[in-house]
Amino acid sequence: DVKVTQSSRYLVKRTGEKVFLECVQDMDHENMFWYRQDPGLGLRLIYFSYDVKMKEKGDIPEGYSVSREKKERFSLILESASTNQTSMYLCASSLFVAGGAHEQYFGPGTRLTVT
Amino acid sequence: QKEVEQNSGPLSVPEGAIASLNCTYSDRGSQSFFWYRQYSGKSPELIMFIYSNGDKEDGRFTAQLNKASQYVSLLIRDSQPSDSATYLCAAGAGNMLTFGGGTRLMVKP
Repeated sequence: DVKVTQSSRYLVKRTGEKVFLECVQDMDHENMFWYRQDPGLGLRLIYFSYDVKMKEKGDIPEGYSVSREKKERFSLILESASTNQTSMYLCASSLFVAGGAHEQYFGPGTRLTVT
Repeated sequence: QKEVEQNSGPLSVPEGAIASLNCTYSDRGSQSFFWYRQYSGKSPELIMFIYSNGDKEDGRFTAQLNKASQYVSLLIRDSQPSDSATYLCAAGAGNMLTFGGGTRLMVKP
């Protein structure tokens, strides 16, 4: 079974803090993704990575950065947390396929509150 | 802009009935389609995927795909209260999935 883990289930941070969210997958997947999910707005892609040290911006990258130093680990960084970044953050991974898309497997999510 | 559209619901069905969830997508380049179930406060979990036109059955679940109409559906037979959740449809292309906003299903005992 694919397992995607995230470093925290719940996190409370103060405005202006630098926040690190970690994601690890154990299935040797090439692709990894960071989403945020808010009521009424659905899943929105922040960043994705298709290989070590490679990253692509998603739909809402502003205020975020990512790091992928090892294939199994993908980190999301909030450089200076703001209250509008309070959300559920979901990490996902999938196999790479030329021209298509495999299913994505999600981690349990991190509910981040910025006060 | 790639879009996947779902009725947000809630869709309410009695226990034992068939629940029918629908989804349309805009990108004709989409090659794979997925249904995820998401319980409140939890992350999405994959239920089924379908790549070819027609029906695909897995237990109580049947996924249907019509690429000409750009339409995907999920049928849940013998619906149970435990099926009450939000169901997300996703269309895949270029290693990316575009998700719909989800349909909330309520199965009443």
